[in-house]
Amino acid sequence: DAGITQSPRHKVTETGTPVTLRCHQTENHRYMYWYRQDPGHGLRLIHYSYGVKDTDKGEVSDGYSVSRSKTEDFLLTLESATSSQTSVYFCAISELKEGQVEDTQYFGPGTRLTVL
Amino acid sequence: QKEVEQNSGPLSVPEGAIASLNCTYSDRGSQSFFWYRQYSGKSPELIMFIYSNGDKEDGRFTAQLNKASQYVSLLIRDSQPSDSATYLCAVNYPGTYKYIFGTGTRLKVLA
Repeated sequence: DAGITQSPRHKVTETGTPVTLRCHQTENHRYMYWYRQDPGHGLRLIHYSYGVKDTDKGEVSDGYSVSRSKTEDFLLTLESATSSQTSVYFCAISELKEGQVEDTQYFGPGTRLTVL
Repeated sequence: QKEVEQNSGPLSVPEGAIASLNCTYSDRGSQSFFWYRQYSGKSPELIMFIYSNGDKEDGRFTAQLNKASQYVSLLIRDSQPSDSATYLCAVNYPGTYKYIFGTGTRLKVLA
């Protein structure tokens, strides 16, 4: 358990409304990630962060923004939600554990977002 | 475009058999390889990681890496119905903290 929580766990919203998803971690990990998972596409990276106020885009960043004002929280915002953003969103952290020579990703429980 | 490819399945095996899951990747510079298991409605959980060519065993799981052929596989011995899940292959590229995931292979172990 990498101490990752996501909120909300489920959300239904309407097209055009703003939505913010929160990822919270308790173990001071530097790297945090947002993915979306859709049938047939697997996990796709939206944005990631390598420190407070340091973020970068992933492969599917259009329509999403992120913020990280403190180490433990990484927020994903959909400024104006669209039906194509209906998905399951996973937050992840990178951690180097004993016996490993490279960081490994561990995932939060996910947020199921439906945009009507 | 860096890619990781997996057969989507489903791969059906009888209980007690060996399940073999395969993954190919496109970037020869890849250094780190991971297998995750994901039950329906749950988040991915790490099963194995492998960095060096050859086999790595952990209980009933064996990861195999062949960098020359650019594939990594996961063998599950004595498959159990509880192993029924989607298995995701992931690759980390050198010099980055980005991970590329395959679309996953769905495994069904038949009792």
